[in-house]
Amino acid sequence: GAVVSQHPSWVICKSGTSVKIECRSLDFQATTMFWYRQFPKQSLMLMATSNEGSKATYEQGVEKDKFLINHASLTLSTLTVTSAHPEDSSFYICSATGTASTDTQYFGPGTRLTVL
Amino acid sequence: GEDVEQSLFLSVREGDSSVINCTYTDSSSTYLYWYKQEPGAGLQLLTYIFSNMDMKQDQRLTVLLNKKDKHLSLRIADTQTGDSAIYFCAEDTGTASKLTFGTGTRLQVTL
Repeated sequence: GAVVSQHPSWVICKSGTSVKIECRSLDFQATTMFWYRQFPKQSLMLMATSNEGSKATYEQGVEKDKFLINHASLTLSTLTVTSAHPEDSSFYICSATGTASTDTQYFGPGTRLTVL
Repeated sequence: GEDVEQSLFLSVREGDSSVINCTYTDSSSTYLYWYKQEPGAGLQLLTYIFSNMDMKQDQRLTVLLNKKDKHLSLRIADTQTGDSAIYFCAEDTGTASKLTFGTGTRLQVTL
């Protein structure tokens, strides 16, 4: 149980285009989903927290207009990187927690974004 | 901000025990976690410990918690080559299940 998937697993795009990454909880309802980015050989940096049906809460320094997050249902959250640039190239990982207050975070396998 | 520190690298021989250390900062954390990340993959939850516990054992894994020193460790007994990965400790911040991750320790297991 507690499986989280991400799609796509990797994507290469041209500078200036937008890329959408999906995060799905496959066998549980996720009231909260988190989006992280990870640079090579570094730790995870939390970008934003999203709750189903409400606006995402962004961490300090993360541009909300550049990284659009939509948590439209209890099993799906999407991250759209708008007008991507090479410096946006990174590994993006989502996680999800269930409805119990004691639920831990379950992580997706990550999406590697390369912007040319 | 909060900094959760780990040593960068650890090399052990197959069959030996590995001990990965973590120093955290938030004394109000309720849970502390250990995650494993293999190359190009997401994070796998290995184990966690409630803050009022000193020790937790789960098969080959033993977690020790010293709240006074804010020190957490993960011991892997009989380390195998499949244990080679990056290990992250994490503390919850008490806010909407948010986690603060450590800097990560790369474990290399040699034959």
